[in-house]
Amino acid sequence: NAGVMQNPRHLVRRRGQEARLRCSPMKGHSHVYWYRQLPEEGLKFMVYLQKENIIDESGMPKERFSAEFPKEGPSILRIQQVVRGDSAAYFCASSPSRAMNTEAFFGQGTRLTVV
Amino acid sequence: RKEVEQDPGPFNVPEGATVAFNCTYSNSASQSFFWYRQDCRKEPKLLMSVYSSGNEDGRFTAQLNRASQYISLLIRDSKLSDSATYLCVVTYTGGGNKLTFGTGTQLKVEL
Repeated sequence: NAGVMQNPRHLVRRRGQEARLRCSPMKGHSHVYWYRQLPEEGLKFMVYLQKENIIDESGMPKERFSAEFPKEGPSILRIQQVVRGDSAAYFCASSPSRAMNTEAFFGQGTRLTVV
Repeated sequence: RKEVEQDPGPFNVPEGATVAFNCTYSNSASQSFFWYRQDCRKEPKLLMSVYSSGNEDGRFTAQLNRASQYISLLIRDSKLSDSATYLCVVTYTGGGNKLTFGTGTQLKVEL
């Protein structure tokens, strides 16, 4: 049973380009969470999705960021018109349910560098 | 005030030492509590859940004090491989499995 798969592992974008980060949850997991870790900072929640639905996007910046989790395929975190401040590690986690005591498994992350 | 606060460290300790990390949380609606471990440039991994009754897993002991909104992690007989950043994590009522992380405490175990 493969773990949470994120790709690409490293992504370099020039300012103004778009970044697409993909996350395939563990088999049988329908709940996906995206977190961002800025350099020298803790992980911050961005968005929580269940298949085809955004459940909680309270941590998403109001502009340029969007997320989806289609019925088929991976979850996508999309950042339009990237800026230097978007450089960070983006982690995806999945869980089989929304129960609070259910372990969430993390992917290895995508390190985005904006040049 | 941050929702989850930790001393950033670093804590530099010799092998075999006992080290304790503390964490406070501000939201009394917090429901579940965890310690995660994050190695440099890697993803966080669950170390252990934390219960009011306290729980132990080998060399690791976690305690929760709901009245003081305080969580602790004790590591006994430190190993070089324990060097990592330890993250205090809480979830809130109605938040599902959404995790709120502290900024982490860095531990360096030295020979």
